[in-house]
Formats: sequence, C-alpha cells, structure tokens
Amino acid sequence: EVQLQQSGPEVGRPGSSVKISCKASGYTFTDYVMNWVKQSPGQGLEWIGWIDPEYGSTDYAEKFKKKATLTADTSSNTAYIQLSSLTSEDTATYFCARGAPFDYWGQGVMVTVSS
Amino acid sequence: DIQMTQSPASLSASLGETVTIECRASEDIYSNLAWYQQKPGNSPQLLIYDANSLADGVPSRFSGSGSGTQYSLKINSLQSEDVASYFCQQYNNYPWTFGGGTKLELK
Repeated sequence: EVQLQQSGPEVGRPGSSVKISCKASGYTFTDYVMNWVKQSPGQGLEWIGWIDPEYGSTDYAEKFKKKATLTADTSSNTAYIQLSSLTSEDTATYFCARGAPFDYWGQGVMVTVSS
Repeated sequence: DIQMTQSPASLSASLGETVTIECRASEDIYSNLAWYQQKPGNSPQLLIYDANSLADGVPSRFSGSGSGTQYSLKINSLQSEDVASYFCQQYNNYPWTFGGGTKLELK
C-alpha cells in the first residue's frame, strides 16, 4: 500500500525557517517525482514544485523559488521541503503528492507563522 | 502561467441528482487535466486523470470529459459522501495550476 506520511504541525516565528518531511512507503521511491502543494486557510491549491528523488533535480513555480527548497534522501525514502524567511503569508497546510497527476497525497502539515 | 477557471464556485444539489462542474483553461492543455475531491479536514484525492480516465477505486458515477480548453466533471446519482470540494488541475505546462475549486453541498 502506497503511503506518504508527513511530519507534525509546525510553528515558526517570522523570519525563521521550518523543514517538513514526507516519508514514502509501498513503492520504489525513485520511480516517481514528489510534488509539494500549498493550501492557505479556506483557499485553493498551489503547486510549489517537484523533486526527482533519483537525480535530485527540481523544478519550482516562480513564486516559490526564493521561498522553498526541496530535497530528498533516498536512503530513508523521505522528501523534504524547507520554507525560509517565514511571513504570515506562509501560514498554510503543505502537502506532498506523488507523480503527475498526483495519485497519492500525504495527510498535510499545518504551518503557522506567529511571533 | 495557464489559468484554470472553474465554475460554479459553489453548488447545492439533492441526493440522486446529476451534477456537472466545468473547468476552462486559458490555453490548450491537450487533455492533461485531473480532477480531485477534497473532503473537509482531508487531503485531496485523485478522481479523474487525462481528462476522462477514472482513478483506481473511484466509483463509476464520476466521469470526466472535454478537450482543448474546456473540461467537465460529472457526478451521476449524487450520494451524501460526495459532499466535498472539487478541484481541476492542468499538468500540461509548468507551473502546474489548479482551478479555484467548487464546493458541493446537499440541498
């Protein structure tokens, strides 16, 4: 069974960084890209970018190029997103999602930016 | 960026009714379109991919159609468990983009 298990909720101070994980199981991690998607409270969905775990290559939506850094650890089958220079606009739920289209999703991680 | 315009933004329907949600792309996306269902407090789930292919485990009352810039999701015989938000997404061009969503409620 394919599962994407994400880390727990995060609270970050303005200007700080947070790092969220997404541990994959039930399939070969390097066979699929991993995407990250942002959902602001009560809002729609925004694609942040993807990482190809096999090669470490990445692609980002322009809006998130200075905000997000995607990495992957093939030894632990885990993808990561680091969000930097946090502002109130980063308060949202962040999902990892496999492949294209997104056939499996993590449960989401709520990130709250608060002083 | 390709803009995805989804309509209606909200919809109220009765059990057993047929519901249609539309999605229009700002340019041709060559059927590289998916539909997702998101229930409150849950992550989205893939319903339809490649405009008209049913994802594994999705009930057959869901169907997708369309081509070019115009696409639609149809739900036949609406069930109570279909109350959710629905999103379209294009994966033809980067950045991949989503429609604004349709919130489906029971009348």
